[in-house]
Amino acid sequence: KAGVTQTPRYLIKTRGQQVTLSCSPISGHRSVSWYQQTPGQGLQFLFEYFSETQRNKGNFPGRFSGRQFSNSRSEMNVSTLELGDSALYLCASSADGGMGYTFGSGTRLTVV
Amino acid sequence: QKEVEQNSGPLSVPEGAIASLNCTYSDRVSQSFFWYRQYSGKSPELIMSIYSNGDKEDGRFTAQLNKASQYVSLLIRDSQPSDSATYLCAVNPPYSGAGSYQLTFGKGTKLSVIP
Repeated sequence: KAGVTQTPRYLIKTRGQQVTLSCSPISGHRSVSWYQQTPGQGLQFLFEYFSETQRNKGNFPGRFSGRQFSNSRSEMNVSTLELGDSALYLCASSADGGMGYTFGSGTRLTVV
Repeated sequence: QKEVEQNSGPLSVPEGAIASLNCTYSDRVSQSFFWYRQYSGKSPELIMSIYSNGDKEDGRFTAQLNKASQYVSLLIRDSQPSDSATYLCAVNPPYSGAGSYQLTFGKGTKLSVIP
C-alpha cells in the first residue's frame, strides 16, 4: 500500500516568489491536512481538506492557501515568500481523522 | 490558546530500561490522543492512539490516559537504541468543527537510549 507522497522533496526559492507543493494521499483517504514544522514552533496546523472542501484552517496569513482535487490529491500554495516561511511542510492523510493521520516525507522549503 | 506541553528533554535512558514520556493538555474536552515518533530528518510516524481513560498496550509501548488530570503518557519497555528519536504528543480537540480534525502537537521530547 503506497504511503503519502509529497513532491518536491526540496525547494529553494527567493523572497517574494510563490511556491506550490503537492500531496497524494493514501488511496481511499479523503481527509488531507497540511502542517508546517520549524525548530522553534514545532508542528503547526495549516489547513484540512475533505472531499474538495476546506473544513478547517489554522492561524496562518492569507498567503498560505490550498485546495483538494476530486481524486483527493491536494496542493498548497504560498505566495510572496518570506524568509520565515523556510520550514518542513508536511502533508498527512486519514480515512477518518479521529483515528490519526499518516504523514508524508515532507517538502523542505528554503527561502533565500 | 489550546496547548499541549511536553518536556523537551533530552531524556536519556540505558538500553533495556523503561522510558517514560509525559504530556499535558489544556483543553479539557479533548477526545483523541496520539503519540508520534520522529527520527531526525524524517517525518512523524504514528505509533499509538488512545481515546479512553486507562492503559493501552501495543508490544513494547503502553499509552496511558487520565482525562481528569489532562495527562497522557507513553511508556517504552526494554528500550533499544533504535528507539532514540523525538516523541510528539498530539491532541485532537472536538471543537475543530463537525467531522473536522485539527491535531495540536506538543514540541516533542527527545529520547536517547544509551547502549
